[in-house]
Amino acid sequence: AQSVAQPEDQVNVAEGNPLTVKCTYSVSGNPYLFWYVQYPNRGLQFLLKYITGDNLVKGSYGFEAEFNKSQTSFHLKKPSALVSDSALYFCAVRDGWGKLQFGAGTQVVVTP
Amino acid sequence: EAGVVQSPRYKIIEKKQPVAFWCNPISGHNTLYWYLQNLGQGPELLIRYENEEAVDDSQLPKDRFSAERLKGVDSTLKIQPAELGDSAVYLCASSSLAGDYNEQFFGPGTRLTVL
Repeated sequence: AQSVAQPEDQVNVAEGNPLTVKCTYSVSGNPYLFWYVQYPNRGLQFLLKYITGDNLVKGSYGFEAEFNKSQTSFHLKKPSALVSDSALYFCAVRDGWGKLQFGAGTQVVVTP
Repeated sequence: EAGVVQSPRYKIIEKKQPVAFWCNPISGHNTLYWYLQNLGQGPELLIRYENEEAVDDSQLPKDRFSAERLKGVDSTLKIQPAELGDSAVYLCASSSLAGDYNEQFFGPGTRLTVL
């Protein structure tokens, strides 16, 4: 069975500092990995995905993620965090039939 | 382009009452998903449709939950009767083709409170 783990319930960062949200995965076969963000009372918004190719994936709103096969990780990063980045972030892994398995989520708090 | 539309946004009912949620996916999206999101957790898939066919309903509690997607567009998720533990956010999502690794687009969800 495939799964993802987000080891941090919450990440606190000051505005302007680098932001990293961690995700590790467990799959049999090739991993198809996604990051979504959820703002209060809103649905999930797609940020980026890794299917194949370059290990550094660039996405929306200045976010990027680095796929590391040896460490089975797919950490989300942003060089300079904004207060508006405060939200709930979900990592997900997709199976060959389109089913997404989500992590428990990481709350990001960016302070001015 | 309009996003995924869900209604109602909020619903409060008493236990043992029926409830229904409606979803209109993005135009042209053949694949539709219903997810359950409990507080502080990630969404969990309930059912996935390819056009009007339910291709994965293994996580749907069929004793009280039902879903339909007539004509392969709009979908309705029903709970009858509702239980206290059903209080959660019900999310609908759609994608163009499940087999193309396309991202899923989510609606705002329906927050259900069962009293």
